[in-house]
Amino acid sequence: EDKVVQSPLSLVVHEGDTVTLNCSYEVTNFRSLLWYKQEKKAPTFLFMLTSSGIEKKSGRLSSILDKKELFSILNITATQTGDSAIYLCAVYGAGSYQLTFGKGTKLSVIP
Amino acid sequence: DTEVTQTPKHLVMGMTNKKSLKCEQHMGHRAMYWYKQKAKKPPELMFVYSYEKLSINESVPSRFSPECPNSSLLNLHLHALQPEDSALYLCASSQREGNNNQPQHFGDGTRLSIL
Repeated sequence: EDKVVQSPLSLVVHEGDTVTLNCSYEVTNFRSLLWYKQEKKAPTFLFMLTSSGIEKKSGRLSSILDKKELFSILNITATQTGDSAIYLCAVYGAGSYQLTFGKGTKLSVIP
Repeated sequence: DTEVTQTPKHLVMGMTNKKSLKCEQHMGHRAMYWYKQKAKKPPELMFVYSYEKLSINESVPSRFSPECPNSSLLNLHLHALQPEDSALYLCASSQREGNNNQPQHFGDGTRLSIL
């Protein structure tokens, strides 16, 4: 059975801090790893990673994949209160349409 | 606002009612999905349609009946639901390129309450 584990499950930081969210996986026939941000409603797509060692970056957010050690990290620099959300990691494996989700990391950024 | 539109945003229904949830996307995506999400849990896959054909049914009870009338629309028909079916129902869509899946894009969901 495919498995995605995120850590920590929750995190409280002050504005301006840098945070690192972790995602490890055990998936049959790994295809890609995705990060989503979920506030009140829809999970919003952030990144899709398929190759090891290539950093994807969007503003203050960046992510990288290590296919040898089976994990990914999501970094957020200079955090703002608007970054408060649940960050979901998900993996496409052999079941080609199925995303296996981790339980998410709840990030709270306080002023 | 997302590019996947779901209606209604909220729905309250009794256990004997019949209602439908609707989802629409105009991104040309050929895969569409229904998920159920309970509070503080990740989304759980219910159904996948690929090129308007049901591709995956994750052992969902028959009181949930999906329908894909065309490549832009996805419905979820509800009948005789139970209180434990109260949840956020999310629709998503994605493109496929060969054997590679592209990211799934989610709608804002329908928050369903069963009385």
